[in-house]
Amino acid sequence: EPEVTQTPSHQVTQMGQEVILRCVPISNHLYFYWYRQILGQKVEFLVSFYNNEISEKSEIFDDQFSVERPDGSNFTLKIRSTKLEDSAMYFCASRRGPNTGELFFGEGSRLTVL
Amino acid sequence: AQSVTQLGSHVSVSEGALVLLRCNYSSSVPPYLFWYVQYPNQGLQLLLKYTTGATLVKGINGFEAEFKKSETSFHLTKPSAHMSDAAEYFCAVSDGGANSKLTFGKGITLSVRP
Repeated sequence: EPEVTQTPSHQVTQMGQEVILRCVPISNHLYFYWYRQILGQKVEFLVSFYNNEISEKSEIFDDQFSVERPDGSNFTLKIRSTKLEDSAMYFCASRRGPNTGELFFGEGSRLTVL
Repeated sequence: AQSVTQLGSHVSVSEGALVLLRCNYSSSVPPYLFWYVQYPNQGLQLLLKYTTGATLVKGINGFEAEFKKSETSFHLTKPSAHMSDAAEYFCAVSDGGANSKLTFGKGITLSVRP
């Protein structure tokens, strides 16, 4: 069964360092998302991406964040200069079409900023 | 804007007992509604969804939910809890539009007592 895969599963970094989280969405999906879940809190929307551009972003997704689909298969989230409060589980998700509704999630990348 | 309210953070039931997890939503357009489950150290897995049509929807693992527009609710039920149902459950809403994102509730942790 096709699935969304994410790497790394866990990354520890020092405050101020750049981090890139990688995702391979399901191959025939067209809509891509990043969500995050700070420990003990709700799953929060960060950004959605379609047709090689951002379609919507939340207030969390500030200038320190960027997304890219560099090669038609990977979908990356970059944090330029990490802060302690960026520590969270980051989930990538994808969706096939405009009216299918359901998002398929990866297993997440846990980011720990020290 | 859409929102989801999941009252309480923790529900505990005995094995074999009824499971009822409550979800109320707010949406200015006809909603798409979802329940996702998250097992420890895993990603989000879709349990069931309501988009249009029959208001009682059945999902995996014996769960079902009923969309009640008049009550703006989408409560999740299972007649008989199993130990393996212990997990965190998230209700989510979207507007079903082309670029629509999911908005999650804060989640409910379900514990099952032997």
